[in-house]
Amino acid sequence: DAGITQSPRHKVTETGTPVTLRCHQTENHRYMYWYRQDPGHGLRLIHYSYGVKDTDKGEVSDGYSVSRSKTEDFLLTLESATSSQTSVYFCAISSEWGAGGTDTQYFGPGTRLTVL
Amino acid sequence: TQLLEQSPQFLSIQEGENLTVYCNSSSVFSSLQWYRQEPGEGPVLLVTVVTGGEVKKLKRLTFQFGDARKDSSLHITAAQPGDTGLYLCAGAKGATNKLIFGTGTLLAVQP
Repeated sequence: DAGITQSPRHKVTETGTPVTLRCHQTENHRYMYWYRQDPGHGLRLIHYSYGVKDTDKGEVSDGYSVSRSKTEDFLLTLESATSSQTSVYFCAISSEWGAGGTDTQYFGPGTRLTVL
Repeated sequence: TQLLEQSPQFLSIQEGENLTVYCNSSSVFSSLQWYRQEPGEGPVLLVTVVTGGEVKKLKRLTFQFGDARKDSSLHITAAQPGDTGLYLCAGAKGATNKLIFGTGTLLAVQP
């Protein structure tokens, strides 16, 4: 298994509070991704990173920010959580880019976030 | 906008039956991947298909990429309870590794 951990694994918070989710990898992979998974939508890309301090937006980036100060850590922050951000969040890593999707993305175990 | 539609959404079958899951789009993809996800875990890659018309087999699982690279199918022969899970297709467009995931097919194989 790829060395990917996510913390916390479960979190319940209230609307309007800031929340930070952490993804940590031990594989030294260059690329890291944050997805959210909701019933009927599959996985949707929030943000991704192609190197330290290099990040870009995905499909559903509104209300989220990310930071990557070290190769091994990719943080996802909800500045002011809303109920619509209740979801399961997955981090993924990969070692290649521009390979037309032939590279493998390895996923972490997920964080279940509930915003009340 | 959901570019990849999977069907069926849910499938409950008996052990030993065969099944096919479809992944359809109006867009062309440079490659398509299939993942399986078990409860409480992240998706795990099963296969990547790249060439139009390509067929790949993984034990009892057969994957096919459509000739026009707009659709794919996953066929399971003699399903077993261990095949239970959420099956996701994911397409890559152009020369990037940004994946667009399908809506998923939840498969339950009853012993």
